Amino acid sequence: NAGVMQNPRHLVRRRGQEARLRCSPMKGHSHVYWYRQLPEEGLKFMVYLQKENIIDESGMPKERFSAEFPKEGPSILRIQQVVRGDSAAYFCASSRARDRGDTQYFGPGTRLTVL
Amino acid sequence: DQQVKQNSPSLSVQEGRISILNCDYTNSMFDYFLWYKKYPAEGPTFLISISSIKDKNEDGRFTVFLNKSAKHLSLHIVPSQPGDSAVYFCAASDPRNTPLVFGKGTRLSVIA
Repeated sequence: NAGVMQNPRHLVRRRGQEARLRCSPMKGHSHVYWYRQLPEEGLKFMVYLQKENIIDESGMPKERFSAEFPKEGPSILRIQQVVRGDSAAYFCASSRARDRGDTQYFGPGTRLTVL
Repeated sequence: DQQVKQNSPSLSVQEGRISILNCDYTNSMFDYFLWYKKYPAEGPTFLISISSIKDKNEDGRFTVFLNKSAKHLSLHIVPSQPGDSAVYFCAASDPRNTPLVFGKGTRLSVIA
């Protein structure tokens, strides 16, 4: 049973370009969470999605960032017009349900570097 | 404002001894706590959790203790093994099931 998959693992973008990060949850999981980890920091929640719905985006920057989890295919975190401050590790997690007893399983992350 | 604090960025322990990782929180609404372990270039892995109705939860070599009055929890690893060397994150949530809030992590090095 494959775990949470994220790709690409490493992504380099120049300022002003777009970054698209993909996350495939574990089989049977319909809840997806995106987190960002800045250097020397903990993980910060960005957005929580269920299939076709954004449930909680309280941690998402208001501009340039968007997320989706379509009926078919992976969840996508999209960052438009990237800036150097967007350089970070972006982790996706999935769970079977939203109950706190349902463990969030994390993917290996995408390391975004903005030049 | 950091609601979950791990004040020790790093900790070194001899193999076979006890590792104690500490975590403090400021939000009195938090009632569910988790520890995750993270190796370099990998995502965090769930280790153990505790609800505020308990003050201790044990799973093999890992035990988490919760002191609600002090808003403090700790993770004990006994005996420590070289493979335990990793960054450990404490996380918390409240009854509204709001998103997990993570500390900055403590890097544990277990020396053989």
